[in-house]
Amino acid sequence: QVHLQESGPGLVRPSETLSLTCTDSGDSISGYYWSWIRQPPGKGLEWIGYIYYSGTTNYNPSLKSRVTISVDTSKNQFSLRLTSVTAADTAVYYCARASGWSFDSWGQGTLVTVSS
Amino acid sequence: QSVLTQPPSVSAAPGQKVTINCSGSSSNIGDNHVSWYQQLPGTAPKLLIYGNNKRPSGIPDRFSGSKSGTSATLGITGLQTGDEADYYCGTWDNSLSALFGGGTKLTVL
Repeated sequence: QVHLQESGPGLVRPSETLSLTCTDSGDSISGYYWSWIRQPPGKGLEWIGYIYYSGTTNYNPSLKSRVTISVDTSKNQFSLRLTSVTAADTAVYYCARASGWSFDSWGQGTLVTVSS
Repeated sequence: QSVLTQPPSVSAAPGQKVTINCSGSSSNIGDNHVSWYQQLPGTAPKLLIYGNNKRPSGIPDRFSGSKSGTSATLGITGLQTGDEADYYCGTWDNSLSALFGGGTKLTVL
């Protein structure tokens, strides 16, 4: 059974780098695609990107220049780095598993605020 | 502005039926499977429908999905107050980027 949990700082200063980690404590990370998805307060969902357990990635074109997603199968984790953040990056960040072209398991989400 | 278009809100009385539409294009919905997600207030989204019309284990058959051309529809019958939530459609485009609709707020009057 998949159980995803996001972790990382809840406050990031403008122009700095946002870093989050997602751990699957319930099942192996192998064999699946893993995504980051965010939701600004009061707004809809925005896909950030995905990584396959082998390391293949694909990113939202609007964020591609600032995003890196990496995976550590030995720790059953994958991570997000978003550089040069601004207030527009303030959002709840979710990690999710992609299976069969849908996101079938989600973490509870973590609010990241960009502010000085 | 989302690539997939949903109505901002829909409403219906308890026990009634409601449908939520999701409109896209030939390069996304037209060529790929559609999923639907339910987001109850203050919680993470939950998968309701995948593969256009399939329900994950545990999702009641009051929820249904369909797709025709470049549009998809979520149907909910026998509305309950607990169905009040935001509903999102999702699909992929031909560059394998995931897309979401802007979301529809369901009010059960």
